[in-house]
Amino acid sequence: SQTIHQWPATLVQPVGSPLSLECTVEGTSNPNLYWYRQAAGRGLQLLFYSVGIGQISSEVPQNLSASRPQDRQFILSSKKLLLSDSGFYLCAWGSLQKETQYFGPGTRLLVL
Amino acid sequence: KQEVTQIPAALSVPEGENLVLNCSFTDSAIYNLQWFRQDPGKGLTSLLLIQSSQREQTSGRLNASLDKSSGRSTLYIAASQPGDSATYLCAVRPPNSGYALNFGKGTSLLVTP
Repeated sequence: SQTIHQWPATLVQPVGSPLSLECTVEGTSNPNLYWYRQAAGRGLQLLFYSVGIGQISSEVPQNLSASRPQDRQFILSSKKLLLSDSGFYLCAWGSLQKETQYFGPGTRLLVL
Repeated sequence: KQEVTQIPAALSVPEGENLVLNCSFTDSAIYNLQWFRQDPGKGLTSLLLIQSSQREQTSGRLNASLDKSSGRSTLYIAASQPGDSATYLCAVRPPNSGYALNFGKGTSLLVTP
């Protein structure tokens, strides 16, 4: 069976510090991978998606970047965090064969 | 740009009641529509998925309908239980988008004993 992991679960960072959130998927190959952010009072916003290693599409201009160094690894990064980067970050995977997406447990980020 | 709206934003009902959650979307060109459940501080769990060619899907006490031409979907929960308390999210999958989903803001449901 497939599983998706995210870490850390919770993170408190000062403004201006760097960020690295990691997502890994087990039990499947060549998945589509997604990063979403859920901010207070807002719906889930798609940040990035990837259909293969090194292939990243960005949905909104922002202070964040994403990378996919391995088939089942997806990383969300920032060089300098802003207060507005606070939120709940969710990683998900899907595929051409799977109609739905499967979500990880999320990382709660608080920027102070 | 696809906009997904969910009404109501929050709902509180006594245990045993039947209830309806609403979802509307602005662009009828969708690939499918899904309903997810999110418990506080957790990830999302898919409940029901309706293909664009389908009218409804059922799973246990849950029934979701889709009227693509009018841009509406409803999630019907029968005989609600306290364990149903969660946020319910509606999401549409546009065609040719890298299979990314457009989410509504969700309906926060509280079922009281």
